[in-house]
Amino acid sequence: GAVVSQHPSRVICKSGTSVKIECRSLDFQATTMFWYRQFPKKSLMLMATSNEGSKATYEQGVEKDKFLINHASLTLSTLTVTSAHPEDSSFYICSATRGTFNTEAFFGQGTRLTVV
Amino acid sequence: GIQVEQSPPDLILQEGANSTLRCNFSDSVNNLQWFHQNPWGQLINLFYIPSGTKQNGRLSATTVATERYSLLYISSSQTTDSGVYFCAVVLTGANNLFFGTGTRLTVIP
Repeated sequence: GAVVSQHPSRVICKSGTSVKIECRSLDFQATTMFWYRQFPKKSLMLMATSNEGSKATYEQGVEKDKFLINHASLTLSTLTVTSAHPEDSSFYICSATRGTFNTEAFFGQGTRLTVV
Repeated sequence: GIQVEQSPPDLILQEGANSTLRCNFSDSVNNLQWFHQNPWGQLINLFYIPSGTKQNGRLSATTVATERYSLLYISSSQTTDSGVYFCAVVLTGANNLFFGTGTRLTVIP
């Protein structure tokens, strides 16, 4: 399989501050990366799709100005939660695929964000 | 939109028992994966199985895309099998995974 590394695994921040989460594909070039959010005891919900060198595509209801996504290289995508509030507390997890269609997706370890 | 329903939602097994988890989806898909989410949240890839049958140790999976379902079999379950099992699909023409509702498995000694 392929390795996707996500950092940090856990972060606590104060309301109003911003938090950056990194997602790296360690042993392959990821054409496409995806960001998901998971609430306790719920399934994963897609937030956005990012393609290297282009703007991310956000799912309906996801605020692009609050969740900034940058995919500057084929091995790195970042999610920045801006002006975080307690309701942004959640588990965020990224995934990456080698190709664009019909390829297996691999997931990072996830980031548990707590906003106090 | 697409619906991906998993059953049962919760399952408690005695160690050594066998089980079958089901994933039903409402639309045509190009890709289907099964994952095990461990207690720390990590998603572990079990199978990439858009169609057919695959086996890996005590686990096997079958996808019948024309009938829009997939099954995950766990044999001789162990306590380390506990966690949440998700199936996820990629709609025809899309490139992102859409996750099912999950099955929470608890294996007791």
